Amino acid sequence: SQKIEQNSEALNIQEGKTATLTCNYTNYSPAYLQWYRQDPGRGPVFLLLIRENEKEKRKERLKVTFDTTLKQSLFHITASQPADSATYLCALDIAQAGTALIFGKGTTLSVSS
Amino acid sequence: NAGVTQTPKFRVLKTGQSMTLLCAQDMNHEYMYWYRQDPGMGLRLIHYSVGEGTTAKGEVPDGYNVSRLKKQNFLLGLESAAPSQTSVYFCASVRDRAYNEQFFGPGTRLTVL
Repeated sequence: SQKIEQNSEALNIQEGKTATLTCNYTNYSPAYLQWYRQDPGRGPVFLLLIRENEKEKRKERLKVTFDTTLKQSLFHITASQPADSATYLCALDIAQAGTALIFGKGTTLSVSS
Repeated sequence: NAGVTQTPKFRVLKTGQSMTLLCAQDMNHEYMYWYRQDPGMGLRLIHYSVGEGTTAKGEVPDGYNVSRLKKQNFLLGLESAAPSQTSVYFCASVRDRAYNEQFFGPGTRLTVL
């Protein structure tokens, strides 16, 4: 069965630094991978989607890479701010099932000022 | 647009009681999903629907039933609640196969005693 892992449960960095979160998967070849942000007590919010034929995608201070050979995605937040503190989830599509996703357990990022 | 709304926000049940969680979206989205989120387990797909009148099982469907009688609504039913169903339940919707971003509701926190 598909397996998706986010290597760190928690990541603590200082304001202004770049945060790098890792997502690895096995036993699957997804058509795309997504990243979501979740704040305490709230539902996840979509951030970025990267397709299997794309190496990198950017949105403002966010950058996602997708290496289908390594079966890995990296999520970067540059010039991090305390407001970036949240849990970040990666998700893979289950292509045969109506865009349903399988989610990683998330990495909780804390940015200190 | 209200987006995705969930009713109720909180509920406490006794073992064996039944209840229905309501998810509504006003974005005319085709696909809808029910997830549960537990500490250390991440988001897990319970059931999903790719259109009005259709439903399908996800990763953890046992003990739950769903119905999608109207395009805008997706109901999740617990016929006989068990303590193992204590969780936070999230509903999500997707416009269609060409647009993969999932829009999540605010969640329902359910406790089964």
